[in-house]
Amino acid sequence: QVQLQLWGAGLLKPSETLSLTCGVYGESFSTYYWSWIRQTPEKGLEWFGEINSSGNINFNPSLKSRVTISIDTSKNQYSLKLYSVTAADTAVYYCAKSSGWFAFDYWGQGSLVTVSS
Amino acid sequence: QSALTQPASVSGSPGQSITISCTGTNSDVGGYNFVSWYQQYPGKAPKLIIYEVSSRPSGVSNRFSGSKSGNTASLTISGLQAEDEADYYCSSYTTSSPFVFGTGTEVNVL
Repeated sequence: QVQLQLWGAGLLKPSETLSLTCGVYGESFSTYYWSWIRQTPEKGLEWFGEINSSGNINFNPSLKSRVTISIDTSKNQYSLKLYSVTAADTAVYYCAKSSGWFAFDYWGQGSLVTVSS
Repeated sequence: QSALTQPASVSGSPGQSITISCTGTNSDVGGYNFVSWYQQYPGKAPKLIIYEVSSRPSGVSNRFSGSKSGNTASLTISGLQAEDEADYYCSSYTTSSPFVFGTGTEVNVL
């Protein structure tokens, strides 16, 4: 059974860097793309980007300038960095496995990140 | 890339069938058969219930079905049950993003 578990800081000040890591258990890391998604009451679900074990990355063009996605295949982990955060980046952040069907078939538990001065 | 358009809420009585629409453009819903649907309970992560317009992952009830016509995809829940009360989101592959989600629909079981 595939499990995704994410962790990272939950409270940030404006202009700081959001940093989250997602650990993948029970699945071959090399076969799929691994995504970051966030959810806010205002904008709903928003896809950030995805990475595979070869380091190939696809980004949401609207967020690309502030986002870094990286992968550590030795630890079955991948990470998200979002720079210069503002209150608008307050959201629940999810990691998710991108299936071969252009859908997200496994999700992490979600992590609330709050940006406040 | 604008979010796909869904109705804010849909209601139905137990046993009835309801349909949730998801309207996009020919750059997303209309251009690809990569529409998926997710069910989300409060405080929980979304769960995939339909992929590739009409396919169901293993373990998902056959009361959930999907279809597409032009730029609009639809999710039908038949034999509505109390446990179906949740939020539902569509998603599509798109030429620009490459993924876009819908605005979300709250399903109420009366």
